[in-house]
Amino acid sequence: EVQLLQSGAEVKKPGESLRISCKGSGYSFTSFWISWVRQMPGKGLEWMGRIDPIDSYIHYSPSFQGHVTFSADKTISTAYLQWTSLKASDTAIYFCARWRQLEDIWFDPWGQGTLVTV
Amino acid sequence: SSELTQDPAVSVALGQTVRITCQGDSLRSFFASWYQQKPGQAPLIVIYGKNNRPSGIPDRFSGSTSGNTASLTITGAQAEDEADYYCHSRDSSGNHPVVFGGGTKLTVL
Repeated sequence: EVQLLQSGAEVKKPGESLRISCKGSGYSFTSFWISWVRQMPGKGLEWMGRIDPIDSYIHYSPSFQGHVTFSADKTISTAYLQWTSLKASDTAIYFCARWRQLEDIWFDPWGQGTLVTV
Repeated sequence: SSELTQDPAVSVALGQTVRITCQGDSLRSFFASWYQQKPGQAPLIVIYGKNNRPSGIPDRFSGSTSGNTASLTITGAQAEDEADYYCHSRDSSGNHPVVFGGGTKLTVL
């Protein structure tokens, strides 16, 4: 079964750093990009960007460029989302999702989400 | 434009048919994909591409497009279909590769 398993909920103070993880299983991790999606409390889905696990090529959404950092360790099939200085406005659920693309693009599957509370 | 617009809320009587719509310029060039999100859960893909259902998605879910409007149709809505539904497509403006709609809360009465 293709799965993305995310790390557990985090409670942090403003100014602290944080790294959350997303581990892929059941497929070739380096064959598909991983995207990160933010969902603020009671709000919709926002695409943050994507990373290619094979070479760590990254494309950030302009809305998130400079505020977060993506990385990946292909040897353990894990992608990461990192903050160096959290703000209260970073409080949200963060999902990772596998990027699928033919003529169109879709995300499948999704991780279960990581709740970050600042 | 890089926006997709959805109605905030839609309701349907149990067993009836409901159409959830998504409008945006990018839909003239690209198909929408649709995600179902139930409270406390991650989004789940229900339709992608022209009208493709992943394995395990009931055939009461279907997708279509006309002009700048994509539609997700649920034929014979069930109580378990009550959820938030998000459309998503490639972005034709070039600002982002992809864009999400704001979501529609479906209530099954």
